[in-house]
Amino acid sequence: DGGITQSPKYLFRKEGQNVTLSCEQNLNHDAMYWYRQDPGQGLRLIYYSQIVNDFQKGDIAEGYSVSREKKESFPLTVTSAQKNPTAFYLCASSMADTGSYEQYFGPGTRLTVT
Amino acid sequence: AQSVAQPEDQVNVAEGNPLTVKCTYSVSGNPYLFWYVQYPNRGLQFLLKYITGDNLVKGSYGFEAEFNKSQTSFHLKKPSALVSDSALYFCAVRDSPGPGYALNFGKGTSLLVTP
Repeated sequence: DGGITQSPKYLFRKEGQNVTLSCEQNLNHDAMYWYRQDPGQGLRLIYYSQIVNDFQKGDIAEGYSVSREKKESFPLTVTSAQKNPTAFYLCASSMADTGSYEQYFGPGTRLTVT
Repeated sequence: AQSVAQPEDQVNVAEGNPLTVKCTYSVSGNPYLFWYVQYPNRGLQFLLKYITGDNLVKGSYGFEAEFNKSQTSFHLKKPSALVSDSALYFCAVRDSPGPGYALNFGKGTSLLVTP
């Protein structure tokens, strides 16, 4: 998990509230990613960013938003439009070139919405 | 389009025995293949990758994987399993060339090593 921090580790919210998950990296990586993990479904890509001030939707972007104002930071906002927000959220980063570099993952944030 | 399949939800092996965790992939170009391990309530840790070159790739903690282009497989192996190897293992693929750098992950295989 070294080099990437996610906070908080556990997050509880009431339905209808937006919540922002933090992701910071000190690896000087250009690319950053957000994944959602649900039991038995593996990792699904929410958003990714190859460079500051630019990001692309992944497979399940609906109900989520991101920003990339600094190279080190890639916060994810889970909006009230996300139908099933309870999940384990993982942030990752990698050197950006042809994509042959591995991704480094943070420790994750477990979000529970009731 | 790129995809990866891990056909086994769970693999059970006795400590000291060899282990294999299976992975097959589908890409339109040349694959970049990765194995990651996840311990409970933790992020994923990188084990090894195949980009090009030798089909047998060696990685962390004594793990290795063999790239087989004809069978489109990239199975993870270890000659002698440890109880501490018990974890969730993910195979991932990226098509090369392809848009962005995002990986497509399999659903994961839970490895249980019993004493």
